Amino acid sequence: DSGVTQTPKHLITATGQRVTLRCSPRSGDLSVYWYQQSLDQGLQFLIQYYNGEERAKGNILERFSAQQFPDLHSELNLSSLELGDSALYFCASSVAGGSDEQFFGPGTRLTVL
Amino acid sequence: AQSVSQHNHHVILSEAASLELGCNYSYGGTVNLFWYVQYPGQHLQLLLKYFSGDPLVKGIKGFEAEFIKSKFSFNLRKPSVQWSDTAEYFCAVNADDYKLSFGAGTTVTVRA
Repeated sequence: DSGVTQTPKHLITATGQRVTLRCSPRSGDLSVYWYQQSLDQGLQFLIQYYNGEERAKGNILERFSAQQFPDLHSELNLSSLELGDSALYFCASSVAGGSDEQFFGPGTRLTVL
Repeated sequence: AQSVSQHNHHVILSEAASLELGCNYSYGGTVNLFWYVQYPGQHLQLLLKYFSGDPLVKGIKGFEAEFIKSKFSFNLRKPSVQWSDTAEYFCAVNADDYKLSFGAGTTVTVRA
């Protein structure tokens, strides 16, 4: 157990819908990262937040957005869902950022039908 | 931006065999290097990391990796694998833009 929690574990929805994935970082960690893991794209960095502010952006679609709240938990919002958005979405946290070790959560498996 | 390539997509070997997984990155500056493992149905776990100092890094579960700066490589090794080492292994690089870039992963299957 890494100390990072993600809910829900599984999510099944239809195309065009919107979903919210939630992540709680390890106690004391200020940085939260979101990753998407799919068969064709591998593990892709989406976005990083540090203490409530966006720190770095990766291959995140405009239909996707994220935020980090004052209690440091984070939410990833995926809208206008497409079949290709079906993937495993991981959240990770670290103490600060940069070279800090990232601890990964168990992931949310999203299936878009 | 940095990129990471892992040479082997799928490796199959028998218990007690030696394992070496290749990883090369493309970035000219200072990097931090990681190997993560993902056991079936589980989340990513850190095996080992290199920030600076001794280029031969020892990690958990008997794994080690060697950083060769001139070759931009960070290969993972284990002298004698066990069935429980069956997993997917990811090499990752973190440079000065803070994000972690992962390789495509190598699936390792250890036959009993």
